[in-house]
Amino acid sequence: KAGVTQTPRYLIKTRGQQVTLSCSPISGHRSVSWYQQTPGQGLQFLFEYFSETQRNKGNFPGRFSGRQFSNSRSEMNVSTLELGDSALYLCASSPYDRGGAYGYTFGSGTRLTVV
Amino acid sequence: KQEVTQIPAALSVPEGENLVLNCSFTDSAIYNLQWFRQDPGKGLTSLLLIQSSQREQTSGRLNASLDKSSGRSTLYIAASQPGDSATYLCADQGAQKLVFGQGTRLTINP
Repeated sequence: KAGVTQTPRYLIKTRGQQVTLSCSPISGHRSVSWYQQTPGQGLQFLFEYFSETQRNKGNFPGRFSGRQFSNSRSEMNVSTLELGDSALYLCASSPYDRGGAYGYTFGSGTRLTVV
Repeated sequence: KQEVTQIPAALSVPEGENLVLNCSFTDSAIYNLQWFRQDPGKGLTSLLLIQSSQREQTSGRLNASLDKSSGRSTLYIAASQPGDSATYLCADQGAQKLVFGQGTRLTINP
């Protein structure tokens, strides 16, 4: 059974550009969450989607947005990139809203570097 | 607002030792608690999940406990091996998101 797939694995962008990251959850999973990981702030929640609806959003500026498609695949978009957006972006999937007894399974992440 | 703390931030022990990693949380109304490991530059691998109604879970050499009254969870690793070297993170499945501790970076010395 395939795991959570994130593409691309690595990305280098210039300040001011925008970027789109992709996450394909485990087959049958309807919940997709996004997290940002930096050395200083650790893991911070960005947003969660369940059945194409955003259920929860973290404390990030409006430059960070996302969506979920009918096949549960999700994309995250960051516009007007800043140097501080350099981070490992992790996606997690779950069959249930709120994780439940299954919990969350994470992908390998996308390493974004903004120069 | 749930806050999760992991102390110490780093731990180094010789191979073969049994060890305990600690996780503290401020809100006893914890939902479920999940332990992960992360290898450098990689994603998170789920180790154990303890539901709020449970006291402990075991998988191989790993045992995780949950004490909601004291706001603590522990991850016990038996007979540690160099391959156990990684960062270990605990997280509360709060209101539709995971709230993470900062992690404990574990090094097992051969």
